[in-house]
Amino acid sequence: QQQVKQSPQSLIVQKGGISIINCAYENTAFDYFPWYQQFPGKGPALLIAIRPDVSEKKEGRFTISFNKSAKQFSLHIMDSQPGDSATYFCAASMSNQAGTALIFGKGTTLSVSS
Amino acid sequence: DAGVTQSPTHLIKTRGQHVTLRCSPISGHKSVSWYQQVLGQGPQFIFQYYEKEERGRGNFPDRFSARQFPNYSSELNVNALLLGDSALYLCASSFSAGGGYGYTFGSGTRLTVV
Repeated sequence: QQQVKQSPQSLIVQKGGISIINCAYENTAFDYFPWYQQFPGKGPALLIAIRPDVSEKKEGRFTISFNKSAKQFSLHIMDSQPGDSATYFCAASMSNQAGTALIFGKGTTLSVSS
Repeated sequence: DAGVTQSPTHLIKTRGQHVTLRCSPISGHKSVSWYQQVLGQGPQFIFQYYEKEERGRGNFPDRFSARQFPNYSSELNVNALLLGDSALYLCASSFSAGGGYGYTFGSGTRLTVV
C-alpha cells in the first residue's frame, strides 16, 4: 500500500513534443504529490508538486494532472527540450505526519531528441 | 545561500568496513532525512531527524544509524558494509518535520563497496 507505481520506464520524445509520465498510488492517506527531476551525478530537484484537493497545477511548461478517484497523477512536459533530458521521479507522502517517508516511484528516463 | 552539502562526494570501502557520511542542511532547516538510491531505482527512506531526535526510520537493518548535532548537521553511519550497500546516499533538509514536504536534496555521496 506504500508503493508508488510509475510508467513508462523510459521515454523518447522529439524536441517540441509533449512528454507524459504517469503514476499510481494506493494509500489514500497520501496528501502531497511532488515530481522530482534528477540529472546524472546530482540529487533530485523538486520540479512541481500538488495536493489532492486540486485537479491540475501548471508551472511554465510543466503540468501535473491529478485524479483522486482513480488514485493517479501524471506529469506533462510541453514543448520538450533537449535540456529536459533527465530522470523524473514521482513521489507521495503524508506531509502532516512527522517522520514519514517520501515514497518514490522507480523513475522515468526521458530523452528529448533534437 | 548554500544548498544542502554532503561529504565526501565519492568513496570506496571494503566489505566489513565502517563508513560515516556527513550532511549540512540549508541554514534555518531543522530536519534532515537520509535516503539510499540504488542505481536505476528511486530513493528509499532511511531516517528522518528533527530537532536532534529521530522521528522516522525506514526498513533498513540496525547496521545503519544516524544522529543530528546541535547545529542541525547530521551523520549517517553504516557498519559491516556489504556489497549491496553500494549506492548513492542522499541527504534532504527541510524546515518542518512533515513527511517529505519542502525537501531540498544534496548531490549525494556515491558509496562503492568492494
